[in-house]
Amino acid sequence: DAGVTQSPTHLIKTRGQQVTLRCSPKSGHDTVSWYQQALGQGPQFIFQYYEEEERQRGNFPDRFSGHQFPNYSSELNVNALLLGDSALYLCASSAWDRGLYGYTFGSGTRLTVV
Amino acid sequence: AQTVTQSQPEMSVQEAETVTLSCTYDTSESDYYLFWYKQPPSRQMILVIRQEAYKQQNATENRFSVNFQKAAKSFSLKISDSQLGDAAMYFCAYRSAAGANSKLTFGKGITLSVRP
Repeated sequence: DAGVTQSPTHLIKTRGQQVTLRCSPKSGHDTVSWYQQALGQGPQFIFQYYEEEERQRGNFPDRFSGHQFPNYSSELNVNALLLGDSALYLCASSAWDRGLYGYTFGSGTRLTVV
Repeated sequence: AQTVTQSQPEMSVQEAETVTLSCTYDTSESDYYLFWYKQPPSRQMILVIRQEAYKQQNATENRFSVNFQKAAKSFSLKISDSQLGDAAMYFCAYRSAAGANSKLTFGKGITLSVRP
């Protein structure tokens, strides 16, 4: 049973470019949350998707946007990249009606902006 | 807004010994969940232990146990019989019980090293 799959594992982009990160949730999960983890810090919540809609959002600018597909997979898009966007981006999946049982995390995408 | 504080950036323990990692949090809610996550170099967050705020009994999972002090808003993790594989970053996290899929709020983490 596959867990949460994220792609790519590493990515280098130039300041001002746009990037798309992808996440496939664990089998049986229908909710996807995204977190940003700067070096040496704890993860910070970006947003959450369920039924192809953004359900919750953290304190991130509109440059961060997302999408969820009918198969529950999700994308995180970041426009106009800044050096400060360099971080590990983690995807976590859960079942909407059983979310209190916890999230399953992927291994993340390491984004470096130069 | 809820906050989670981990004031010890690094800790070290001798193999087979016991170590305690500290965490405090701030919230105005009465019903919530607390977690300890482990993040090894593979980067994947792994759930170590979870505590429901309404339960007075401290959670235990094999060598891992917590000391939950609700009034003091303290939630420490004790690792007994430390093993080399326990070396990792450990994050304390808070989650509101209001809503089945409320977000996790993490502390800054503690880097635990285990000496052979």
